[in-house]
Amino acid sequence: AAGVIQSPRHLIKEKRETATLKCYPIPRHDTVYWYQQGPGQDPQFLISFYEKMQSDKGSIPDRFSAQQFSDYHSELNMSSLELGDSALYFCASSVRRGNQPQHFGDGTRLSIL
Amino acid sequence: TQLLEQSPQFLSIQEGENLTVYCNSSSVFSSLQWYRQEPGEGPVLLVTVVTGGEVKKLKRLTFQFGDARKDSSLHITAAQPGDTGLYLCAGAGAAGNKLTFGGGTRVLVKP
Repeated sequence: AAGVIQSPRHLIKEKRETATLKCYPIPRHDTVYWYQQGPGQDPQFLISFYEKMQSDKGSIPDRFSAQQFSDYHSELNMSSLELGDSALYFCASSVRRGNQPQHFGDGTRLSIL
Repeated sequence: TQLLEQSPQFLSIQEGENLTVYCNSSSVFSSLQWYRQEPGEGPVLLVTVVTGGEVKKLKRLTFQFGDARKDSSLHITAAQPGDTGLYLCAGAGAAGNKLTFGGGTRVLVKP
């Protein structure tokens, strides 16, 4: 079965640079979520989209923005990168109705030098 | 703010023993998911529980959702070294909502 696809898998940037992470949800899933996971920590919710509209916002810095496109893929744009942004970034997707579970991608490991 | 607390944080047992991981909250969740996560990879869904009192089995793993939908447990029977990993519980306050994670339990099954 098709899973959530994230790219790139690994990304190395320097401070103050920008980065774009991409997420392709499972076909027919209408909701996309972004999470950030630091070393030894739980995934922390950043932002979500339902039918291409922002549906919820968590602890996402103002330097970050995200959107969902007409083909349902989503991009997380990160600017003015800081050392503390180094983390695993996960995208998850689900069908909104009926308490359907979220399925996670394998993540993008972002390292800031 | 909904909070989830998992216990224990770490569990080391011998092959063949049983283990139970608990996930507790003072909040009601519309659903609760259990995931297993390997280092550097995304959480992989094991099960979703939705109905209070629900019990689901996945081979040697048994998942239970509390009657009040505030807590859950994962029981592994006759654990094997392949069960070693990080187990995460995560709850959603409503359908389509963000997940709140419980901190994780790192399980080590020694041969």
